Amino acid sequence: RKEVEQDPGPFNVPEGATVAFNCTYSNSASQSFFWYRQDCRKEPKLLMSVYSSGNEDGRFTAQLNRASQYISLLIRDSKLSDSATYLCVVSLDYKLSFGAGTTVTVRA
Amino acid sequence: DVKVTQSSRYLVKRTGEKVFLECVQDMDHENMFWYRQDPGLGLRLIYFSYDVKMKEKGDIPEGYSVSREKKERFSLILESASTNQTSMYLCASLRQNYGYTFGSGTRLTVV
Repeated sequence: RKEVEQDPGPFNVPEGATVAFNCTYSNSASQSFFWYRQDCRKEPKLLMSVYSSGNEDGRFTAQLNRASQYISLLIRDSKLSDSATYLCVVSLDYKLSFGAGTTVTVRA
Repeated sequence: DVKVTQSSRYLVKRTGEKVFLECVQDMDHENMFWYRQDPGLGLRLIYFSYDVKMKEKGDIPEGYSVSREKKERFSLILESASTNQTSMYLCASLRQNYGYTFGSGTRLTVV
């Protein structure tokens, strides 16, 4: 079983729509959680950390459910520039485990 | 902002060659990492280092070695490149509580 699993998508949504997706992790001892964004042929960049109480950063909302071992990302009012692959990342000590990514395509 | 620099964006090497991938960070971070990224598999940890001359195997260390002689530089070595090592290689540096910063990646093709 993979440590971090994501629906690969793609999620094709119109501009202005809301899109949400989850990822599950297998190690209940995992300590920190992140969403990274990766554009085509570029390196991953930190989008946001995910806190136990849930957190928002502009149009992006992240949630953590430790009991069910999943995290989620919701994007409101999608923009064309949100088209990317979103990587779910789980950390234990210094080690990061990555999901394979969820691809989101926002169309005009 | 932390800068993580990888020496090459694209590299083509022949099977059996010894390959060096260099990574330099400019923020005095102790922890550095090498990942490879393949379609459908995500990023997989090859090796990491938490201090000069220290190294730890990641999930897929076979066929690779690393060197950390100076704090700012972490090198990945393919002792004898093989075609199944064709991949995107990403170096990362860690600042505690602030997440990882990645280099721009090296796309290695072994022919």
